[in-house]
Amino acid sequence: EDQVTQSPEALRLQEGESSSLNCSYTVSGLRGLFWYRQDPGKGPEFLFTLYSAGEEKEKERLKATLTKKESFLHITAPKPEDSATYLCAVHGGQTDKLIFGTGTRLQVFP
Amino acid sequence: DAGVTQSPTHLIKTRGQHVTLRCSPISGHKSVSWYQQVLGQGPQFIFQYYEKEERGRGNFPDRFSARQFPNYSSELNVNALLLGDSALYLCASSLPGDQPQHFGDGTRLSIL
Repeated sequence: EDQVTQSPEALRLQEGESSSLNCSYTVSGLRGLFWYRQDPGKGPEFLFTLYSAGEEKEKERLKATLTKKESFLHITAPKPEDSATYLCAVHGGQTDKLIFGTGTRLQVFP
Repeated sequence: DAGVTQSPTHLIKTRGQHVTLRCSPISGHKSVSWYQQVLGQGPQFIFQYYEKEERGRGNFPDRFSARQFPNYSSELNVNALLLGDSALYLCASSLPGDQPQHFGDGTRLSIL
């Protein structure tokens, strides 16, 4: 069965303290891995798509990487405005549905 | 450009009632998907429509139904509401293939 597991569930960082979020996946025929940011009361905001192992994408303080079994979202020198829940999702098999993990709730303190 | 828009933003219903939620996709997007998100969880897939045809259905009871209109907007209908249907209902639109889905801010449905 297709599955996505994210860790840690919650992460508290001091401003400027870099860290990484993990997304492990099991899917038959990965067609894409997606990272989203979700603020309270809002819908998920698209960040990155990764399609094949070894691929990397960067945007400001965020960098996403992909292997055959997991993806990492690296946050360099985070700021309080990076506080949000980060969701990982995969596209696989014959359908276009996204399978989401439960997210990592990130809090960055000044 | 306008993003995905959903209406209403909030809704309060009682058990046994029915509800209709609406979604307008990003201009040019022909694929619309619906997700349910309960507090503390990731979104769960309900339906996908492409060119007005159902392309996928998640593990939800027949009380849930949806349709897509010629202008690619969509409705999600839920009948015989249960307390457990309380959640944030998200709509997403995308271009065909393995393109990212873009989400609206959802409809917060509360069942009393």
